[in-house]
Amino acid sequence: DGGITQSPKYLFRKEGQNVTLSCEQNLNHDAMYWYRQDPGQGLRLIYYSQIVNDFQKGDIAEGYSVSREKKESFPLTVTSAQKNPTAFYLCASSMPAGPSTDTQYFGPGTRLTVL
Amino acid sequence: GENVEQHPSTLSVQEGDSAVIKCTYSDSASNYFPWYKQELGKGPQLIIDIRSNVGEKKDQRIAVTLNKTAKHFSLHITETQPEDSAVYFCAEGGGTSYGKLTFGQGTILTVHP
Repeated sequence: DGGITQSPKYLFRKEGQNVTLSCEQNLNHDAMYWYRQDPGQGLRLIYYSQIVNDFQKGDIAEGYSVSREKKESFPLTVTSAQKNPTAFYLCASSMPAGPSTDTQYFGPGTRLTVL
Repeated sequence: GENVEQHPSTLSVQEGDSAVIKCTYSDSASNYFPWYKQELGKGPQLIIDIRSNVGEKKDQRIAVTLNKTAKHFSLHITETQPEDSAVYFCAEGGGTSYGKLTFGQGTILTVHP
């Protein structure tokens, strides 16, 4: 069963703690993305990675960090420096075809709540 | 940078009516325009997409039209059903933002039985 998995579905964290969100895909996609979604708003790009061992900042990277050591995995760490981390986090992947953007497929999301 | 404006923010229709959601974009080099449907508590799912070499694409009750000159594209849902109720997002990509998509703010569609 191919697809993108995110875990956990719900995550609670105390202020001042770092937390890591998992994203795994078995679609053999090269590119992976992390988005943040707040109520009533669209998706904002946090980080993305076009290839293993390489990643770039998106529009709202401050307070977040990522790694891309394996093609199928792209974990996101929400650090204590992120001032308002409570949100719905979405991971996506795509198989970029040359210079044109290809379709992004999304995981089920992780809802992070800071207590 | 790239910007996508999506309207309306909320849309309420009766079952069987049509629904139209419109998006405008700023990057004239954009060449890929997907539409996503997001149900409550779930990730967005691609429902239809269009590339800049065509003006219209249909898939059963769903269609997307693209006007590159005016830089806008629209989602059309005909014969709406209650299960069409969800949040719909447009996005644009390609152009100067290789590998990235820029999303609209979303439209909450409610279909009343």
